[in-house]
Amino acid sequence: LAKTTQPISMDSYEGQEVNITCSHNNIATNDYITWYQQFPSQGPRFIIQGYKTKVTNEVASLFIPADRKSSTLSLPRVSLSDTAVYYCLVGDQSWYSSASKIIFGSGTRLSIRP
Amino acid sequence: NAGVTQTPKFQVLKTGQSMTLQCAQDMNHNSMYWYRQDPGMGLRLIYYSASEGTTDKGEVPNGYNVSRLNKREFSLRLESAAPSQTSVYFCASRADTDRVDTGELFFGEGSRLTVL
Repeated sequence: LAKTTQPISMDSYEGQEVNITCSHNNIATNDYITWYQQFPSQGPRFIIQGYKTKVTNEVASLFIPADRKSSTLSLPRVSLSDTAVYYCLVGDQSWYSSASKIIFGSGTRLSIRP
Repeated sequence: NAGVTQTPKFQVLKTGQSMTLQCAQDMNHNSMYWYRQDPGMGLRLIYYSASEGTTDKGEVPNGYNVSRLNKREFSLRLESAAPSQTSVYFCASRADTDRVDTGELFFGEGSRLTVL
């Protein structure tokens, strides 16, 4: 399982773009990169997933360079409600995979100020 | 759809007491997970089950037992609770049916356990 490293905490202001980078130097060929968001007193929820290049949805964008050893979650024009912990996970999502262990790291605590 | 349902939401135990946390999902997912989250910390995997009838240890299995009763239900049991097991417990199921595996986890609302 590829281990991930991300900043412990980040601060930003409303209306700014926030980029959270995750390092995963030992990512395997079949591994996908997935980001989750967790609000206080709630379980994490899926934000975005990607394999290479760029993925965008209504919430965020995920940038993955060619070597896939890192990824960047981009949150456009954040608001106070984006204050949460963000987790970067790397693992095999293949239907054929028997390794269904999914490990969360410590995450990045993002604080948005007015 | 209810998604992932956990019971109870809150529980206070005395040291040495036993209890079972219940988890059920209605999404026909194969894999289910139990995590614990201590204050200010990330999630740690206790046990997981890749399919009905199978269970495997995660990062912190000591002091816990699990049962995958059927495809829908995955319970976590504390046989002799200790103060170190005070935590929030989250159950999750993974979006892996017999046809597709997106890898996405769906979490319950959590069960807040205090051991005195």
